[in-house]
Amino acid sequence: LAKTTQPISMDSYEGQEVNITCSHNNIATNDYITWYQQFPSQGPRFIIQGYKTKVTNEVASLFIPADRKSSTLSLPRVSLSDTAVYYCLVGDGQNDMRFGAGTRLTVKP
Amino acid sequence: DVKVTQSSRYLVKRTGEKVFLECVQDMDHENMFWYRQDPGLGLRLIYFSYDVKMKEKGDIPEGYSVSREKKERFSLILESASTNQTSMYLCASTPSGTGGEDEQFFGPGTRLTVL
Repeated sequence: LAKTTQPISMDSYEGQEVNITCSHNNIATNDYITWYQQFPSQGPRFIIQGYKTKVTNEVASLFIPADRKSSTLSLPRVSLSDTAVYYCLVGDGQNDMRFGAGTRLTVKP
Repeated sequence: DVKVTQSSRYLVKRTGEKVFLECVQDMDHENMFWYRQDPGLGLRLIYFSYDVKMKEKGDIPEGYSVSREKKERFSLILESASTNQTSMYLCASTPSGTGGEDEQFFGPGTRLTVL
């Protein structure tokens, strides 16, 4: 299964768009890409999932280029409450999946 | 509202003790997972279970065992706790998939300290 690499941390300001990229160079054809958000003292929670191209929901967008060697989670107009750790997950849809080390996003006023 | 609960938020044990971490889900999910979470390493899968009494090793099963006697309950067991097992332990469940294709529902975690 593909190893995932994410930046350790990122800073942003309220109202800005934030893009967090996850690298998964050896991703297989059928692997899924999923992003989770984790606040302090809570378990991670699902944000968005994609396979290829672009997926958008009410909280985020996920961009996956044609070669699928990376994926970018995009958070529009972040607020202080978006301060959290964001994890990407690559899974084969059968019985193997692996989380990245997580990106700590700090949103400043 | 879906819910995964873990028996303790904080636990302090001594080296060599047998430790039980309990997880219960109320969503009738088929699959349950145990992870440990460490700074800089993210979440690493210890074991998962796809049915009652069925289990599979994850990436780091050494030093751990699991038990699933009922569908809603999944236990993580440290037979003889060691200091390098000090960590945050997270339980999760999914309705049908075990390969990342299903949304995972996580519990709040148990922070275990082994002295």
